[in-house]
Amino acid sequence: AQSVTQLDSHVSVSEGTPVLLRCNYSSSYSPSLFWYVQHPNKGLQLLLKYTSAATLVKGINGFEAEFKKSETSFHLTKPSAHMSDAAEYFCVVRPNAGKSTFGDGTTLTVKP
Amino acid sequence: NAGVTQTPKFRVLKTGQSMTLLCAQDMNHEYMYWYRQDPGMGLRLIHYSVGEGTTAKGEVPDGYNVSRLKKQNFLLGLESAAPSQTSVYFCASSYDAMNTEAFFGQGTRLTVV
Repeated sequence: AQSVTQLDSHVSVSEGTPVLLRCNYSSSYSPSLFWYVQHPNKGLQLLLKYTSAATLVKGINGFEAEFKKSETSFHLTKPSAHMSDAAEYFCVVRPNAGKSTFGDGTTLTVKP
Repeated sequence: NAGVTQTPKFRVLKTGQSMTLLCAQDMNHEYMYWYRQDPGMGLRLIHYSVGEGTTAKGEVPDGYNVSRLKKQNFLLGLESAAPSQTSVYFCASSYDAMNTEAFFGQGTRLTVV
């Protein structure tokens, strides 16, 4: 069985400051890991994915995440937040058979 | 590119009514999924399909049925709607089970009164 824990339900940062959204996972097998973003009243959009290649993964809009097997973590970071980054973010683990497990989400607020 | 299209976008049902949500994808993906999204609970998998003619239960299948008669379509049915099924429903598709991303539709906001 697999599970995903997003350690913060809400994160608030000021525009121009770094963003850190934390995700821990558990999985019986080497998983694929994803981060999705959901803007209000919109569907989910893929930010980045890890699929057993490079452990530091770069995504769209300046986001990146580092896969740390020893810590079972896949934290999402961005050096400088923009107002348009305000959204809900989901960490997803997908070990096999297409059955993804979603975290409960982290709401990112960006203050001017 | 249409990607994944869900129909309808909004619907209000009375308790006990039935309805079908349609999901269509034009990417020739084998895998398709139905999720529901409730506040503070992320997305939970209702049913999924690994190819035309196949369906399987997800995490929260009770009260829902699905069919995948054509590769590009995945239908989600509610036979007798209940207020607990008030939610936002998302369809997704992916090329394979493991490494490729899932593409999501825009969602269907369903209210059962």
